[in-house]
Amino acid sequence: GAGVSQTPSNKVTEKGKYVELRCDPISGHTALYWYRQSLGQGPEFLIYFQGTGAADDSGLPNDRFFAVRPEGSVSTLKIQRTERGDSAVYLCASSLVQGNEQFFGPGTRLTVL
Amino acid sequence: SQQGEEDPQALSIQEGENATMNCSYKTSINNLQWYRQNSGRGLVHLILIRSNEREKHSGRLRVTLDTSKKSSSLLITASRAADTASYFCATYNYGQNFVFGPGTRLSVLP
Repeated sequence: GAGVSQTPSNKVTEKGKYVELRCDPISGHTALYWYRQSLGQGPEFLIYFQGTGAADDSGLPNDRFFAVRPEGSVSTLKIQRTERGDSAVYLCASSLVQGNEQFFGPGTRLTVL
Repeated sequence: SQQGEEDPQALSIQEGENATMNCSYKTSINNLQWYRQNSGRGLVHLILIRSNEREKHSGRLRVTLDTSKKSSSLLITASRAADTASYFCATYNYGQNFVFGPGTRLSVLP
């Protein structure tokens, strides 16, 4: 079956612009996670959804970052007023239930110029 | 704060040799998982070991868990060039979320 997909695969934007990153999880997976990964580092947790609700958004670095999952499937990570420090690979993962193995998408590489 | 810490940071071996990577963590866990990542994109799940388990096998992979020492190891036997990747441990506890370590970069030379 289809895995986790993320669009776009690459996004180049200018400082101060708004970006949206999309994640399509595996059908039936109730848990969805967003991570950010910088070069040479492990994934850094941003936010976790259980169904439609954000069960834990403690990893979002500041209020410029926001994520939604309105129908309990597709999720969008939104970044306002982008800064150069936001440049990273943004990874999405889903799992059947929280704590089980996660299935990762290929990531979106965000570059803020 | 970082929960899992892999050791070594980088490892270079010859094809056919065994590769061992270690992960240490700080607090209680429900399970610990190992993932592989090629070329800086999506991670692939390798194996999950629960806190009441001590050892698990999957093909050429062997994972051990010592909750008294808060550590885990991943052994890849008879390594192949295709095993070249970064390997991450991730810890999970109820009510919390996954915490990944910085990873071990494994190079398997033909």
